[in-house]
Amino acid sequence: DMKVTQMPRYLIKRMGENVLLECGQDMSHETMYWYRQDPGLGLQLIYISYDVDSNSEGDIPKGYRVSRKKREHFSLILDSAKTNQTSVYFCASSLTGSQNTLYFGAGTRLSVL
Amino acid sequence: GDSVTQTEGLVTLTEGLPVMLNCTYQSTYSPFLFWYVQHLNEAPKLLLKSFTDNKRPEHQGFHATLHKSSSSFHLQKSSAQLSDSALYYCALSDNAGAKLTFGGGTRLTVRP
Repeated sequence: DMKVTQMPRYLIKRMGENVLLECGQDMSHETMYWYRQDPGLGLQLIYISYDVDSNSEGDIPKGYRVSRKKREHFSLILDSAKTNQTSVYFCASSLTGSQNTLYFGAGTRLSVL
Repeated sequence: GDSVTQTEGLVTLTEGLPVMLNCTYQSTYSPFLFWYVQHLNEAPKLLLKSFTDNKRPEHQGFHATLHKSSSSFHLQKSSAQLSDSALYYCALSDNAGAKLTFGGGTRLTVRP
């Protein structure tokens, strides 16, 4: 069963706290992504990972970092979260290549108070 | 850099009427175009994507035609159904790698 799993689904944090969002996939996809979704702005790419320890910044990397130590896991870290990082975060994975389909997780709704 | 524009943020239709959601793009290369659909409280998933051989992709009654001359990939369906109510994203992928750039999304609401 092809699946991308995100944990947790909902998270409330205070400004200045550290946040860890985790993502796993069971399809052995090389490429994994973190996007955030905001009304009117669509899905904005934070980071892309082409394989273990091969990560690149997306369009809005500031305030975020990532870790990929195993092909099936990709973590998003917010060091000292800010209120403007309140959003819905989606993880996705795909085979490498420009025509390949992205498979998305169910999302994590993060509120930073 | 690459960009995707979806001019309508919100489209409301009556069931049975035709659907057309606009998508235009800017890209240095000749990109691949995609439509993703996200139903309420679900993850986005692929609806259809452009082919390299200019075939018109179709899925679940939806189709889209890539017009390179006008840099457009509009999504169409002849008759809207209530179950089509969702958020629709147009996206492009360049030829260099796997990076996908999304438009701002169009929320389609189909009324009885």
